[in-house]
Amino acid sequence: DSGVTQTPKHLITATGQRVTLRCSPRSGDLSVYWYQQSLDQGLQFLIQYYNGEERAKGNILERFSAQQFPDLHSELNLSSLELGDSALYFCASKRDNLNTEAFFGQGTRLTVV
Amino acid sequence: AQKITQTQPGMFVQEKEAVTLDCTYDTSDQSYGLFWYKQPSSGEMIFLIYQGSYDEQNATEGRYSLNFQKARKSANLVISASQLGDSAMYFCAMREGLSGGGADGLTFGKGTHLIIQP
Repeated sequence: DSGVTQTPKHLITATGQRVTLRCSPRSGDLSVYWYQQSLDQGLQFLIQYYNGEERAKGNILERFSAQQFPDLHSELNLSSLELGDSALYFCASKRDNLNTEAFFGQGTRLTVV
Repeated sequence: AQKITQTQPGMFVQEKEAVTLDCTYDTSDQSYGLFWYKQPSSGEMIFLIYQGSYDEQNATEGRYSLNFQKARKSANLVISASQLGDSAMYFCAMREGLSGGGADGLTFGKGTHLIIQP
């Protein structure tokens, strides 16, 4: 158990809908990263927050947004969902903003039908 | 161009043999980090080992070691005495841009599916 908690574990929704994925980082970790893993794109970095502020952006679509709250949990919002958004979404956390390893949650499996 | 290349989509290895998983990377940064993660069929991503670009010695963590050849831009993972539980997807990843401070997201390779046979 990495200590990173993601909810829900599975989510099935229809095209055009909006969903929110939640991540609770390890106790004391200030950095949260979101990744998407799909069959065609592989593992892609989406966005990073550090202590409540957006720190880095990767291949995140404009339909997607995220935030990190004062208690350091983070949410990834996906809107106007398309079939191609079906993927495993990971949250990862790390203690600082240095070059150390990040610990991944179990992921949320999103299926868009 | 691919930033991380893993040329072995799949590998079959006999139990107790050593395994080398290949990884080459492409960066113009001087300061970067290289990581290996394991993803079992259950789906979670498990951190295995890390090598910094300025580290002179190869990283080791238990049965895992990283064969870092900076001039060749390769960071191969070596698993000694493989076990059935090592069967999983293995991903090589890189973090760049460290000279400017901070730690952005990882760039992952496409992975190698390792199957250990009894």
